[in-house]
Amino acid sequence: EAQVTQNPRYLITVTGKKLTVTCSQNMNHEYMSWYRQDPGLGLRQIYYSMNVEVTDKGDVPEGYKVSRKEKRNFPLILESPSPNQTSLYFCASSAIGYGTEAFFGQGTRLTVV
Amino acid sequence: AQSVAQPEDQVNVAEGNPLTVKCTYSVSGNPYLFWYVQYPNRGLQFLLKYITGDNLVKGSYGFEAEFNKSQTSFHLKKPSALVSDSALYFCAVRDGGNTPLVFGKGTRLSVIA
Repeated sequence: EAQVTQNPRYLITVTGKKLTVTCSQNMNHEYMSWYRQDPGLGLRQIYYSMNVEVTDKGDVPEGYKVSRKEKRNFPLILESPSPNQTSLYFCASSAIGYGTEAFFGQGTRLTVV
Repeated sequence: AQSVAQPEDQVNVAEGNPLTVKCTYSVSGNPYLFWYVQYPNRGLQFLLKYITGDNLVKGSYGFEAEFNKSQTSFHLKKPSALVSDSALYFCAVRDGGNTPLVFGKGTRLSVIA
């Protein structure tokens, strides 16, 4: 089954404790991205990657890092989380091309206290 | 830069009545338009897209959308709403090439029995 898998689904952590949210896709997609969803703000892109070792900033990259060492994986790293990073995070993947739809993971609800 | 507006935060409709969820967009080139739905505690699911061709696009679960170039709109429609259609709906646009998908803020649809 074609899918994007994120882990964990729920995470509560303390300010400053480094964390990683994993994302993996099994569709051999070149393009992967991370979004955060906040009430009233919709989805905002954090980072994206158009292929292995190629990453770029989205609209809200501050406080986040990503890596793309393999085509299927695109982890999101918060080196020093802060309460304003409490949010719902989604990973997405798609084939390259203007008409291709994105496939989304189930989401990770992160709370930073 | 491309942008999407969903002018209604909330749409209420009675079961069996037609529904419309509005979306307008702004791009510099040709628009590639998408609708996604999000059910509670789930990721976003692709509904339909407009790339080129017929202005009326049909998608999943009986939904359709009408592309109107002169009004820069891509409204989502369904002839007869179901209670199970209650969810959060997102419109998204890509401005050609390999540019990222840009999402609207979402519209919450409530279908009342």
